[in-house]
Amino acid sequence: GQSLEQPSEVTAVEGAIVQINCTYQTSGFYGLSWYQQHDGGAPTFLSYNALDGLEETGRFSSFLSRSDSYGYLLLQELQMKDSASYFCAVRGGGRGSTLGRLYFGRGTQLTVWP
Amino acid sequence: DADVTQTPRNRITKTGKRIMLECSQTKGHDRMYWYRQDPGLGLQLIYYSFDVKDINKGEISDGYSVSRQAQAKFSLSLESAIPNQTALYFCATSDAAGGLTDTQYFGPGTRLTVL
Repeated sequence: GQSLEQPSEVTAVEGAIVQINCTYQTSGFYGLSWYQQHDGGAPTFLSYNALDGLEETGRFSSFLSRSDSYGYLLLQELQMKDSASYFCAVRGGGRGSTLGRLYFGRGTQLTVWP
Repeated sequence: DADVTQTPRNRITKTGKRIMLECSQTKGHDRMYWYRQDPGLGLQLIYYSFDVKDINKGEISDGYSVSRQAQAKFSLSLESAIPNQTALYFCATSDAAGGLTDTQYFGPGTRLTVL
């Protein structure tokens, strides 16, 4: 089966850098994704890593180490609007050649203080 | 117009009532999902469908049923609502041809309260 662990809460101040970690256990690995959800809103896709290393998209970066079953989301130059929940997700295997569904972690609530 | 829509957006009902939540999408995606979200528990999968003829249970399907009426429509029913089904419900879609990411696109959510 699949399981994902991430911290429940992280706090930081505006302008700082914060790292949200995710460790996973999965039968078959098809990449690690990150989603952002503002309070009361819908989750939205942020990033995806299939291979080891760092992927950068503006102020956000995502890192993956497949050998350690570990990844993180790095948020730089934090802004108040970054206060949200962040979910990591892995893809499971499916039937035959069909890849399966996503499995989500429980989410990390990021609070950015002025 | 939104690509993934959910109706109703808010619903208050009483214990024992039958409730249907509806989801429609204009993205042309084959895959559709129903999730439940409770504070601190993240997104729990209720049911998912990889095409019109395919329905699969998620981790918390007890007390729920679904119907995939068409590629674009996926409805969730609570046959006899109970208070611990009070939660935020999300519908999502993904494209089977979307590669390994299986990026999911979520609707705005339905806030359900069962009294």
